[in-house]
Amino acid sequence: DVKVTQSSRYLVKRTGEKVFLECVQDMDHENMFWYRQDPGLGLRLIYFSYDVKMKEKGDIPEGYSVSREKKERFSLILESASTNQTSMYLCASSPQTGLSSGNTIYFGEGSWLTVV
Amino acid sequence: SQQGEEDPQALSIQEGENATMNCSYKTSINNLQWYRQNSGRGLVHLILIRSNEREKHSGRLRVTLDTSKKSSSLLITASRAADTASYFCAWGIYNQGGKLIFGQGTELSVKP
Repeated sequence: DVKVTQSSRYLVKRTGEKVFLECVQDMDHENMFWYRQDPGLGLRLIYFSYDVKMKEKGDIPEGYSVSREKKERFSLILESASTNQTSMYLCASSPQTGLSSGNTIYFGEGSWLTVV
Repeated sequence: SQQGEEDPQALSIQEGENATMNCSYKTSINNLQWYRQNSGRGLVHLILIRSNEREKHSGRLRVTLDTSKKSSSLLITASRAADTASYFCAWGIYNQGGKLIFGQGTELSVKP
């Protein structure tokens, strides 16, 4: 089975802190994603990566950065956490897909971040 | 925004009844998928329908896709209490490979 592991399930951080959310997948997937989930807003894509060292902005990249130094690991970084970044963060991965096809995305269990 | 809409936002039914959830999207897609999320957990893939397909079945799940109306529906037949969860549609945008855009979800409650 595909496993996407998020390093922290619950975090509480202070405003202004630098926050790292780590994600590892064990299926050699090329694509990795970070989503944020908020009540009433569904899932919104923050960043995604199609390959090592490649990254592309999603719909809400402001206030976030990412790092993908190894294929299996995709990190989300909050340079200076703010209270409006309190949310559930979901990491996901999928295999490489052709332009006209689609593949299932596999999700981690989520990281609940509270910024106080 | 590339997000669409799902309706209803919440649905409460009795065990044994059918549940229908609808999804509308805004862009040209190459596939549409449905995911399930139990409270506080990650999402789990249920079914994928490609843009050249109109209907697909998997067990008690039936998905339809109407690309002319940019809409899809998920039907769960003979629902069970264990089907209680949030259900999300997600669509893959043509020429953007594996990237998925998610709807806002339908919260389904199945009462025993």
